[in-house]
Amino acid sequence: DAGITQSPRHKVTETGTPVTLRCHQTENHRYMYWYRQDPGHGLRLIHYSYGVKDTDKGEVSDGYSVSRSKTEDFLLTLESATSSQTSVYFCASSLEAGGPYEQYFGPGTRLTVT
Amino acid sequence: AQKITQTQPGMFVQEKEAVTLDCTYDTSDQSYGLFWYKQPSSGEMIFLIYQGSYDEQNATEGRYSLNFQKARKSANLVISASQRGDSAMYFCAMREGLSGAGSYQLTFGKGTKLSVIP
Repeated sequence: DAGITQSPRHKVTETGTPVTLRCHQTENHRYMYWYRQDPGHGLRLIHYSYGVKDTDKGEVSDGYSVSRSKTEDFLLTLESATSSQTSVYFCASSLEAGGPYEQYFGPGTRLTVT
Repeated sequence: AQKITQTQPGMFVQEKEAVTLDCTYDTSDQSYGLFWYKQPSSGEMIFLIYQGSYDEQNATEGRYSLNFQKARKSANLVISASQRGDSAMYFCAMREGLSGAGSYQLTFGKGTKLSVIP
């Protein structure tokens, strides 16, 4: 299994505060992704990265920003957290994008915005 | 329109029996890939099986097989000889295209909760 860790694993924060979630992978994968999982929605892509400093928006990117300064790290920032951003956040990585290259997922971060 | 549809919110199967989890997809791309992931109650996402749109054979991985019917745009997961450890949420996902923005992301269905009855 790909070595992907996420920190923190759980966080409770107040509305309006900034929050940063960290994803770290040890597989030297070029591609990294942030998803959120909500009941009734499956997983939805927030942002993805196709290399250091190369990122783009996914399906539900409003209110989120990302940064990737090193191959192994991908940060997700909620600039000003809202209750609608209460969710479970998954980071993933893959060696390649197209084709049969599966995405390997981290353990998830449960974020609660009060 | 949803790109991935999983019509069974929940399923029950007797231990040692086979079960089929349904997945239909919608895409206009000729090149795409279909994935199944398992999410146990512990929360992690585990990759199970992959089927490419040009693959002529149905994919198999151990007790998992994918019943791929391209004309019907369906990619059903078949689990043979169910075990208690198979109780989990199962997600079907699609990646569209070989390059470009669509090829980067997986579009997931809403999932099917499988419960294995002893």
